[in-house]
Amino acid sequence: GAVVSQHPSWVICKSGTSVKIECRSLDFQATTMFWYRQFPKQSLMLMATSNEGSKATYEQGVEKDKFLINHASLTLSTLTVTSAHPEDSSFYICSARDNRGGSSPLHFGNGTRLTVT
Amino acid sequence: DQQVKQNSPSLSVQEGRISILNCDYTNSMFDYFLWYKKYPAEGPTFLISISSIKDKNEDGRFTVFLNKSAKHLSLHIVPSQPGDSAVYFCAARAAGNKLTFGGGTRVLVKP
Repeated sequence: GAVVSQHPSWVICKSGTSVKIECRSLDFQATTMFWYRQFPKQSLMLMATSNEGSKATYEQGVEKDKFLINHASLTLSTLTVTSAHPEDSSFYICSARDNRGGSSPLHFGNGTRLTVT
Repeated sequence: DQQVKQNSPSLSVQEGRISILNCDYTNSMFDYFLWYKKYPAEGPTFLISISSIKDKNEDGRFTVFLNKSAKHLSLHIVPSQPGDSAVYFCAARAAGNKLTFGGGTRVLVKP
């Protein structure tokens, strides 16, 4: 079954509004979660690394003031797309790795399809 | 600069035959490689991985080969089944658990 839950699975919003996406690790704790974005027919691009209890680390070219990340607990990270514009329409996916470590791979949520009209 | 490349955007194979997916990388700091399978509108699902200290890892129908000197890895699926039809992403891990993904290869297994 799913070990990372992402909500909502899809959202349509008007230009200028903000949208919050939640990512939860269901049966493990994750001090670090990752947020990816995928445009149609393209690869997944890492946007930022979400760190529990501290500031997120953003990849080059990703605006931290536009994509607000909060990792308030060991099982929840949120991504808020602020003042969304049509070019922000994309498929956003979070991932998390079990803190118990070892060679466990990253588990991904089912993604959120954001459409900004 | 794409550090992980999958040069074949698509692959079509007959059911029962072998599917071979290729992936090349440029960053010698990658220490772990993974293959993910992805259906439309879903997140990637982990398939199989390999550490940079190994050259082969097998799990059921899936085998991953790593040629470190060539900075090349491949995924073999045998026998291919219609349910294997999906997009397959190669990913490489560097420090901090960050994954860099290739562009994906769409596999179609024909019955």
